[in-house]
Amino acid sequence: EAGVAQSPRYKIIEKRQSVAFWCNPISGHATLYWYQQILGQGPKLLIQFQNNGVVDDSQLPKDRFSAERLKGVDSTLKIQPAKLEDSAVYLCASSPTVNTGELFFGEGSRLTVL
Amino acid sequence: GQNIDQPTEMTATEGAIVQINCTYQTSGFNGLFWYQQHAGEAPTFLSYNVLDGLEEKGRFSSFLSRSKGYSYLLLKELQMKDSASYLCAVRGRPSGGYNKLIFGAGTRLAVHP
Repeated sequence: EAGVAQSPRYKIIEKRQSVAFWCNPISGHATLYWYQQILGQGPKLLIQFQNNGVVDDSQLPKDRFSAERLKGVDSTLKIQPAKLEDSAVYLCASSPTVNTGELFFGEGSRLTVL
Repeated sequence: GQNIDQPTEMTATEGAIVQINCTYQTSGFNGLFWYQQHAGEAPTFLSYNVLDGLEEKGRFSSFLSRSKGYSYLLLKELQMKDSASYLCAVRGRPSGGYNKLIFGAGTRLAVHP
């Protein structure tokens, strides 16, 4: 079974530039999550989708971050404009449903903002 | 809301046993997870507890007490490859609605020869 795919693996940008990350979850998984993990910290939930609807985005900085999951499969997370404090690993995860099962994580996209 | 506490760092000796504790507060508790994360890699699932008691899986065991808001991960016969961060995560409904999985800051375990 194919795992969660993410791209790009690494991205370096200057502050005020924009960046987009892509995630393809495990086939058939209804729930998709984006987490931000700053070095030395645990993952912080940014946004959670159930199929193509947002069920939690309470910690998403909506003035600069946006995410979508068109057709309930792939998802894109965008940052515009980026700030220095956005330097982190952006982890995408999926699970069969929101109520059961473990989360399966992708390898992450490491963002460095200079 | 949700709050998860676990020690920042621990050290142990190869072949020994180590216990990593986690305390939590949440509404609508619906399970506690432990994940392992090696440096530079994604978290990988270790264990899941939803009922009180001990779940054993090889060298790893996880315990849950829902009344105390407490869990621990027990690692036996430690190996050098067990050096990693161990993340405690709680699934709950802190503000109603859908479940969400919230992670603690993680415990960095260093195993020495």
